[in-house]
Amino acid sequence: GQQLNQSPQSMFIQEGEDVSMNCTSSSIFNTWLWYKQDPGEGPVLLIALYKAGELTSNGRLTAQFGITRKDSFLNISASIPSDVGIYFCAGRSGNTGKLIFGQGTTLQVKP
Amino acid sequence: NAGVMQNPRHLVRRRGQEARLRCSPMKGHSHVYWYRQLPEEGLKFMVYLQKENIIDESGMPKERFSAEFPKEGPSILRIQQVVRGDSAAYFCASSQGFNQPQHFGDGTRLSIL
Repeated sequence: GQQLNQSPQSMFIQEGEDVSMNCTSSSIFNTWLWYKQDPGEGPVLLIALYKAGELTSNGRLTAQFGITRKDSFLNISASIPSDVGIYFCAGRSGNTGKLIFGQGTTLQVKP
Repeated sequence: NAGVMQNPRHLVRRRGQEARLRCSPMKGHSHVYWYRQLPEEGLKFMVYLQKENIIDESGMPKERFSAEFPKEGPSILRIQQVVRGDSAAYFCASSQGFNQPQHFGDGTRLSIL
């Protein structure tokens, strides 16, 4: 079945640093989504991407839909302590609403 | 709060009992999705429903699991004769259309004794 490989698995950075994470797949996706999940809560949508090559920002977050439609990355600039959490990529293909999720990137920020 | 509402937040069942998980989608959303998450893992798709219809159930176990989204009322994920391996967090999401962003509830954490 379809799989998403998300990396890195975890990151421990200093406050103020920039962060980059990415997802790759052997399959083509029509939509890429990035979510953040805090402990005990559901995933919260950060950015949605619909076209190959699309670059979208949401505050300090920037995400891109890869040209090949098989990858996406998320950048966080000038990290702050509240950025701590688990970040998931998710992809959708075909004419179904089914999302395939990556394994997550755990981000820790040291003040 | 107009978000996706799930209840209960925590559910404890003994082996062999039934578990019923409820999900009320965001206002204006007619597409509902159920996902399961094990500790330290990503979410795994289970089923996609659109008012009274199951559109995609490719992620649902063949036995003991069922889902419905009636014309009136919340979507229900039902697990019969629960086993220890059913322990997980179950998340519901909703969207306006199948290709629109999915918004998630805070999940139901199911524990099997």
